[in-house]
Order: sequence, then C-alpha cells, then structure tokens
Amino acid sequence: QKEVEQNSGPLSVPEGAIASLNCTYSDRVSQSFFWYRQYSGKSPELIMSIYSNGDKEDGRFTAQLNKASQYVSLLIRDSQPSDSATYLCAVEGYQKVTFGTGTKLQVIP
Amino acid sequence: GAVVSQHPSRVICKSGTSVKIECRSLDFQATTMFWYRQFPKKSLMLMATSNEGSKATYEQGVEKDKFLINHASLTLSTLTVTSAHPEDSSFYICSAPRGTGKETQYFGPGTRLLVL
Repeated sequence: QKEVEQNSGPLSVPEGAIASLNCTYSDRVSQSFFWYRQYSGKSPELIMSIYSNGDKEDGRFTAQLNKASQYVSLLIRDSQPSDSATYLCAVEGYQKVTFGTGTKLQVIP
Repeated sequence: GAVVSQHPSRVICKSGTSVKIECRSLDFQATTMFWYRQFPKKSLMLMATSNEGSKATYEQGVEKDKFLINHASLTLSTLTVTSAHPEDSSFYICSAPRGTGKETQYFGPGTRLLVL
C-alpha cells in the first residue's frame, strides 16, 4: 500500500467551478499535512498546510483534514485557468515528508 | 520572493563526468536540507537528508558514493552526482524547512540534469 495516495487525474473542471482534490495516507502517526502546486517543469510551491482536524481556509483554497479517516483534501473555489497544474499532497511523520504522486488539474476556460 | 535557491538550473554533461548542484537558503539558516529527485510524471522521491556538521542520511536504495552530499554551512548544501550516466538524468530539487514549531518545506527551483 502506498503511503500517500492521490488520483492521478486529470481532473477537469470548468472555469469558476469548485475543484476538489483528495488524498489518503496510511501512517496514523502523521502530524502535518501539506498541499503543493507544481507547474510543468517547475518545482513545487507550498499552497496550504494543515495540522488539526477540520477546515482551514486561505483565499480561494480550503484544506480539510480528517485524521480518523486518514484523509486530507483541497478545495479550490472559483477555479481559474492559472490553477491548472499538478497538486501534490504531502504528509509528515517521523520528521520525514512523503509525497503523493499528484493530481493533475485542468481548468477549462 | 524565493527563499531557497539552486544552481545551476539546467546542466548537460557527458556520461562519466561529475556534476555539482548547490542549494542555498536565503535569509534563513537551515541545519537540515532535503534532496529529491523527480522523474517525468512521477512524484518527488526523497534521496537524502543533508545535515549541517554531520553526515547525510540516505534513503534506501540511494548510493551514497554516487550522490555525494556536503552541508558546508548553515545556508549551503551541495549534491554531487559522480560519474553520471544517462539514467541519472532527472529533475533534482532541494528543500529546506523553515518555520517555528511545525516544519514547512520550501523548495528550490530545481536543477534539470541531462546526461548524454
């Protein structure tokens, strides 16, 4: 079983819609969770971090964490074509960060 | 602005040569830095953890004699790919944790290595 799992996509949403990206993880002792955005040929860029159960909002982005279900998600409201990228879920445990394979998001104008 | 820099951004070399990649933390000190490798359409794979003042910690399957890591100062870590071969062609990315309490990693812009 992979430590951090994401649907590779592509996930296609129309401009202005809500994009929902999901991630599950296997290690119950994980404490910190991150979402990164990676444009093609570029390095990842941190979007959100979340450490406790519930929702965390930052602008158009909302991260949701459910430790009991070992599930973390990212919602992008009012999706824009510039949001088209690969979104990496990352989970920290034992001072090591493990990345998922990423979900490719395509926002259609 | 960028908080972690990498140099060079792109390098092409002949098989058998060695390539050095630098990773610098800007305006903050990093006692630990991480080196990742990413193949096309794949996720980041942690290669090693660079520790200032001590030996690097390598992940399982990563050859320490091939990928030499030196954490020369609190703001600089270098990765040297020795005797590079075409299969070493990849996107190499470093990161440094910055923050208080919880670790948040900031990534350098990456170095694309092509070995001919």
